[in-house]
Amino acid sequence: EPEVTQTPSHQVTQMGQEVILRCVPISNHLYFYWYRQILGQKVEFLVSFYNNEISEKSEIFDDQFSVERPDGSNFTLKIRSTKLEDSAMYFCASRDTGGTQAFFGQGTRLTVV
Amino acid sequence: RKEVEQDPGPFNVPEGATVAFNCTYSNSASQSFFWYRQDCRKEPKLLMSVYSSGNEDGRFTAQLNRASQYISLLIRDSKLSDSATYLCVVTPGHKLSFGAGTTVTVRA
Repeated sequence: EPEVTQTPSHQVTQMGQEVILRCVPISNHLYFYWYRQILGQKVEFLVSFYNNEISEKSEIFDDQFSVERPDGSNFTLKIRSTKLEDSAMYFCASRDTGGTQAFFGQGTRLTVV
Repeated sequence: RKEVEQDPGPFNVPEGATVAFNCTYSNSASQSFFWYRQDCRKEPKLLMSVYSSGNEDGRFTAQLNRASQYISLLIRDSKLSDSATYLCVVTPGHKLSFGAGTTVTVRA
């Protein structure tokens, strides 16, 4: 079964450092997403990406965040200057059309110290 | 008003019991509805899509009431392996909006 893959599975970084979280969505999918989940809290929407541009973003997705699809297969989330409160599990997801289910990667656990 | 609200639970039920819980959504333009399951510290995984006429998948039954803007999930003959957090997911537009989850624990 095709799957969404994310790397790394766990990243520890110092406050103020830049991190890049990587995702390989399912190959024929058109919609890509980043979500985050702080430990013990709900899954929160960050950003959606379609047709090589951001289609929607949440209030969380401020100027410190950016996304790219640099080579047609990878989909990355960059956090420019990490804060302690960015510590969370970050999930990448993709779906083929607007009405179908989304498939999630196994997540990257980001710990900011 | 939150986009998606769920019974938080927790529901603690014995094996073999039936458990049901609801979810309400605020955006009447929402088109697609899903129940996802999330195990501790894992990614959400699709349990089932929810259709207007209601649908069943084995021991799981989902209902959608568009007029009242709620979705329900019923689990019959609960198994230990059903212990998880169940996430109501609604799609207003392209993004998926998640409820906070309903925790179900099935005990032996």
